[in-house]
Amino acid sequence: ETGVTQTPRHLVMGMTNKKSLKCEQHLGHNAMYWYKQSAKKPLELMFVYNFKEQTENNSVPSRFSPECPNSSHLFLHLHTLQPEDSALYLCASSQDRGSRDEQFFGPGTRLTVL
Amino acid sequence: LAKTTQPISMDSYEGQEVNITCSHNNIATNDYITWYQQFPSQGPRFIIQGYKTKVTNEVASLFIPADRKSSTLSLPRVSLSDTAVYYCLVGEAGNNRKLIWGLGTSLAVNP
Repeated sequence: ETGVTQTPRHLVMGMTNKKSLKCEQHLGHNAMYWYKQSAKKPLELMFVYNFKEQTENNSVPSRFSPECPNSSHLFLHLHTLQPEDSALYLCASSQDRGSRDEQFFGPGTRLTVL
Repeated sequence: LAKTTQPISMDSYEGQEVNITCSHNNIATNDYITWYQQFPSQGPRFIIQGYKTKVTNEVASLFIPADRKSSTLSLPRVSLSDTAVYYCLVGEAGNNRKLIWGLGTSLAVNP
């Protein structure tokens, strides 16, 4: 596998469910990101990890809980979500955390909350 | 925060040159300008990046005026497969850098 992979590609869950999204990068990068993409809204940066340490949490509700066990893997744990959380969740990685560093995106997880 | 403004949509025809302009009036001295392309149901893909003047690669050109308050992505001789959303991204300098994404420009290339 090369690049950035995400699983599952599609997820439907109820508001009381607990689920996790997984992201894996095979690029040897140090920084990983979670984004939320809703229709007619800009990409929203949710969390940033650099060398496994969380460096940014952009006022994301606590029902979203990230985990970065190592530089290659990133998880997003979901709990008691709301219908408005339905969106495309994108994972990305970059060599480091700088504005010059090209981000490589995964294909995303299409999440539907019922 | 350095915000960006782009046209919401553009239409073009195969073989034409397409220019998409992004405004970033509050760009900081250390910021770079990056453009990404996104197809439906896929993550964005890097196209080109620049700081000032002109940058060209095998896919596109990026024109940045001296004041750097705007930038123009130029796609030469577009094809149907260039139909996508194009995002202008401006990096923000400082200890807590925030990458600011625009709303994107939806480009439709017609036969």
